[in-house]
Amino acid sequence: SQQGEEDPQALSIQEGENATMNCSYKTSINNLQWYRQNSGRGLVHLILIRSNEREKHSGRLRVTLDTSKKSSSLLITASRAADTASYFCATATSGSRLTFGEGTQLTVNP
Amino acid sequence: GAVVSQHPSRVICKSGTSVKIECRSLDFQATTMFWYRQFPKQSLMLMATSNEGSKATYEQGVEKDKFLINHASLTLSTLTVTSAHPEDSSFYICSAAAGTGDPNTIYFGEGSWLTVV
Repeated sequence: SQQGEEDPQALSIQEGENATMNCSYKTSINNLQWYRQNSGRGLVHLILIRSNEREKHSGRLRVTLDTSKKSSSLLITASRAADTASYFCATATSGSRLTFGEGTQLTVNP
Repeated sequence: GAVVSQHPSRVICKSGTSVKIECRSLDFQATTMFWYRQFPKQSLMLMATSNEGSKATYEQGVEKDKFLINHASLTLSTLTVTSAHPEDSSFYICSAAAGTGDPNTIYFGEGSWLTVV
């Protein structure tokens, strides 16, 4: 069963704009991870945030985690057409077993 | 960086036959591998956890006799879909955990498209 939900399900923006995706989960977690998936391809790991962290940055990516609300957000700044993909959050309660959210389909229009 | 390879990337099989998908960790040893299933425009559903040298742990609702998992070595796990039916058509993705730290670094394969006709 899925851990939670992501919103929006689909997001369409113009190049240069920022994209924000949200993820909610239901149980206590060890860490939360964000992945990217191009259509019909495997997943690429973007960033991991531990349960005791509140914010993390990696290049144009910014991830926040609010364990009291059981939610996380992924912000992609200055988006590019190449950022077009599906983005999934995944939670880990222990070890490497991940439970994925429903995903957000991001379209960045040139 | 670490690479996880899946083979075949695409396979078409006839209804009633069995098909095997391989997942290999190319430059690291993976004591644990995971198999996911993904329908078009949907999320990944964990099917089972594959542990080297022991039986796989299946998620609730996944038929272990239909989806046979073997993890015979530290670099190879296989998923065999037995007596495949059209409803088994899906995208199957494996992942492998590198190391024993917490959290582990997890690498995903490129996935395998299965079409049952």
